[in-house]
Amino acid sequence: NAGVTQTPKFQVLKTGQSMTLQCAQDMNHEYMSWYRQDPGMGLRLIHYSVGAGITDQGEVPNGYNVSRSTTEDFPLRLLSAAPSQTSVYFCASSSHRQGAVYGYTFGSGTRLTVV
Amino acid sequence: SQQGEEDPQALSIQEGENATMNCSYKTSINNLQWYRQNSGRGLVHLILIRSNEREKHSGRLRVTLDTSKKSSSLLITASRAADTASYFCATASNRDDKIIFGKGTRLHILP
Repeated sequence: NAGVTQTPKFQVLKTGQSMTLQCAQDMNHEYMSWYRQDPGMGLRLIHYSVGAGITDQGEVPNGYNVSRSTTEDFPLRLLSAAPSQTSVYFCASSSHRQGAVYGYTFGSGTRLTVV
Repeated sequence: SQQGEEDPQALSIQEGENATMNCSYKTSINNLQWYRQNSGRGLVHLILIRSNEREKHSGRLRVTLDTSKKSSSLLITASRAADTASYFCATASNRDDKIIFGKGTRLHILP
């Protein structure tokens, strides 16, 4: 099993550009989330999904869109990149609501720099 | 605002000693989870404790939960160099499906 796969691993964007961070899992997990990690801030929840077709906002959703058309994929779209979105982005998935039983499985992250 | 707050922010101990990290949170929870993150890597789930549990063990890990004080502790016994990492608590609220992380404790095991 590949687990949670995030692409790309590294990306440099110019201010104002848009892009999509990809996240795919092959574990048939219903629950998926996107987090950003900044120095000294821990992980902050951007958006999450409890199943295909269902998404909701997290702590810091502004400037990001998500969609969940399939169980496997949960892409994160930056609408108009800003330097404040420079961060490491993690996608995570779980088989149970709220990570009950086994917790969340994390991808290896996408390091994004906006210049 | 973040739900969990770990304490201390950083901890250095000698190999073989026990390491204790604490997590405080603000609202009622369904469960609390601890994760480890090695430098430059994704997070790895360590252990989960439900709101109706008070203590849980997994290998060298011991987690306690005190819902009256809204706090949890993670004890790593007989620490090893490989335990050097950042440790995060994450809380699952009983109001929604969010999992909210704290800022983490950086643990450094000295040889």
